[in-house]
Amino acid sequence: GAVVSQHPSRVICKSGTSVKIECRSLDFQATTMFWYRQFPKKSLMLMATSNEGSKATYEQGVEKDKFLINHASLTLSTLTVTSAHPEDSSFYICSAREEGGHGYTFGSGTRLTVV
Amino acid sequence: GNSVTQMEGPVTLSEEAFLTINCTYTATGYPSLFWYVQYPGEGLQLLLKATKADDKGSNKGFEATYRKETTSFHLEKGSVQVSDSAVYFCARTFSGNTPLVFGKGTRLSVIA
Repeated sequence: GAVVSQHPSRVICKSGTSVKIECRSLDFQATTMFWYRQFPKKSLMLMATSNEGSKATYEQGVEKDKFLINHASLTLSTLTVTSAHPEDSSFYICSAREEGGHGYTFGSGTRLTVV
Repeated sequence: GNSVTQMEGPVTLSEEAFLTINCTYTATGYPSLFWYVQYPGEGLQLLLKATKADDKGSNKGFEATYRKETTSFHLEKGSVQVSDSAVYFCARTFSGNTPLVFGKGTRLSVIA
């Protein structure tokens, strides 16, 4: 089946630095990818919809200048957390829907810890 | 609005007990419905889905039936195992490239 590879799985960074998370569709083309954030013991909150070749659509309350999304190809979307702060520590998960497919495939998630 | 409501946990059951996790949705139109499972420290895995009314999704002994009249998609399993301990998320979406909308998740703990 469709596979989405997300890297890194864990990252620890210092406050003020930037972190890039990659999400790749391995065996299909994903024109649209979704980025979610999950707080401890909470549900997944949709952050943005990433569209290949165009600007991402951000959900209300999500800072687009802080969470930069790039979807430069049909198989790769990246989320960059800029000037990270401890409150950005969270579990970030990407998801892709195969064109014409009937389901959603999720990456394995990235646990970000900002110290 | 469009949302998904599922029963709050945590749910603790003994091995071989019957499981029900309730899920209801509000939506205009006819969404597709999903159950995802998240094992400790891992990402989400699709457990089962249903795309139209009266469809029954099933996998690994879990079942859920798309009930349009009650706008529900309750998850059931006749005999749970310790390995079923995880967080279960109900979700819905529509056709096209719309994102999944998740319920808050229900943590299940099965004890031997």
